[in-house]
Amino acid sequence: DTGVSQDPRHKITKRGQNVTFRCDPISEHNRLYWYRQTLGQGPEFLTYFQNEAQLEKSRLLSDRFSAERPKGSFSTLEIQRTEQGDSAMYLCASSSGTGKTFGSGTRLTVV
Amino acid sequence: AQSVTQLGSHVSVSEGALVLLRCNYSSSVPPYLFWYVQYPNQGLQLLLKYTSAATLVKGINGFEAEFKKSETSFHLTKPSAHMSDAAEYFCAVNLRGGGADGLTFGKGTHLIIQP
Repeated sequence: DTGVSQDPRHKITKRGQNVTFRCDPISEHNRLYWYRQTLGQGPEFLTYFQNEAQLEKSRLLSDRFSAERPKGSFSTLEIQRTEQGDSAMYLCASSSGTGKTFGSGTRLTVV
Repeated sequence: AQSVTQLGSHVSVSEGALVLLRCNYSSSVPPYLFWYVQYPNQGLQLLLKYTSAATLVKGINGFEAEFKKSETSFHLTKPSAHMSDAAEYFCAVNLRGGGADGLTFGKGTHLIIQP
């Protein structure tokens, strides 16, 4: 059981740069979710996929945020023109039922 | 809209004492409710879930929670705290009907175990 894998674990970027995070879900899970977690808060739901279809994206924080899951396996989350307020932990989760398995997250620091 | 309120941002108990972490929810659809635990710099681990079956749900590491519709509560308990239970605990509710959609999380409760 390899679990949900996220890469990179840490990312430091300069304000205005674009960043992309990758998530590899558990292989038999058809649903994949992205969340953002800021310090001292619970995770905030951003978007989710069932197979390659993005079923919810209205909660993406702005049009600078986008996600893809082109072949229904791994997914990427891109943030364009990063701002300091984007500094957070970005969590990916996958599921095939009601329980969601989370990865360890990617910590983004925008300087 | 679904929401979750966790009462107490920090809870401190002695090792061996009862653990009680409180969660109240608001939901316009039959709720699916979850408790997750998060250790520092790690992702979230599912402790237990309620999905409209038995109201008393048993989870991992000796934790359990009881769904009380009349009180809109889903409090987490453990009879005897262990030092390894020190972590952040999150209660969550499904955004819409069923369990496929995303979750709304509470702000979390930091559990401190005193030796």
